[in-house]
Amino acid sequence: EVQLVQSGAEVKKPGESLKISCKGSGYRFTSNWIGWVRQMPGKGLEWMGIIYPGDSDTRYSPSFQGQVTISADKSINTAYLQWSSLKASDTAMYYCARQLLRGVSHFDYWGQGTLVTVSS
Amino acid sequence: DIQMTQSPSTLSASVGDRVTITCRASQSISSWLAWYQQKPGKAPKLLIYKASTLESGVPSRFSGSGSGTEFTLTISSLQPDDFATYYCQRYDSYSTFGQGTKVEIK
Repeated sequence: EVQLVQSGAEVKKPGESLKISCKGSGYRFTSNWIGWVRQMPGKGLEWMGIIYPGDSDTRYSPSFQGQVTISADKSINTAYLQWSSLKASDTAMYYCARQLLRGVSHFDYWGQGTLVTVSS
Repeated sequence: DIQMTQSPSTLSASVGDRVTITCRASQSISSWLAWYQQKPGKAPKLLIYKASTLESGVPSRFSGSGSGTEFTLTISSLQPDDFATYYCQRYDSYSTFGQGTKVEIK
């Protein structure tokens, strides 16, 4: 069974750094792209970017390029989303999701979400 | 940048109704469009991909159509479990989601 299990909720202060994780199981982790999607409170879905864990090829939405870093450690089947300096506007639910196909594609399996709260 | 416009933003319907949601792209995206259902507090669920391909396990009352710039998601007979928010997603050079359509009980 394909599963994506995300790390737990985080409460951080503005300016702090953060790295959240998404661990895949039940499939060959290096063969499928993993993406990150933001959902701000009461708002819609925003595509942030994707990574291919096999070779760490990464693509970002222009809206998120330079704002976050997407990475992966294929040795432990885990993808990451990282901020170097959080802002209050980063408060949101973040989902990881798996793509079945190569390149930019739709997501067939989703993690349960990680709630990030940034507040002074 | 290709914009995705989803309509309506809210839709009030009754059990048994036929429901149609539209997603328009500002430029052609061929058939690179997916539809998702999201319930409160839950992750989205894939319904349709490549504009009209039904994801395995999704009830056949859901269908998708369209290509180029105009796409529709149709629920042939709305069921109690279908009250949720629906999103389209375009995926070509990169990806964006539509703004969402909340289907609520009339």
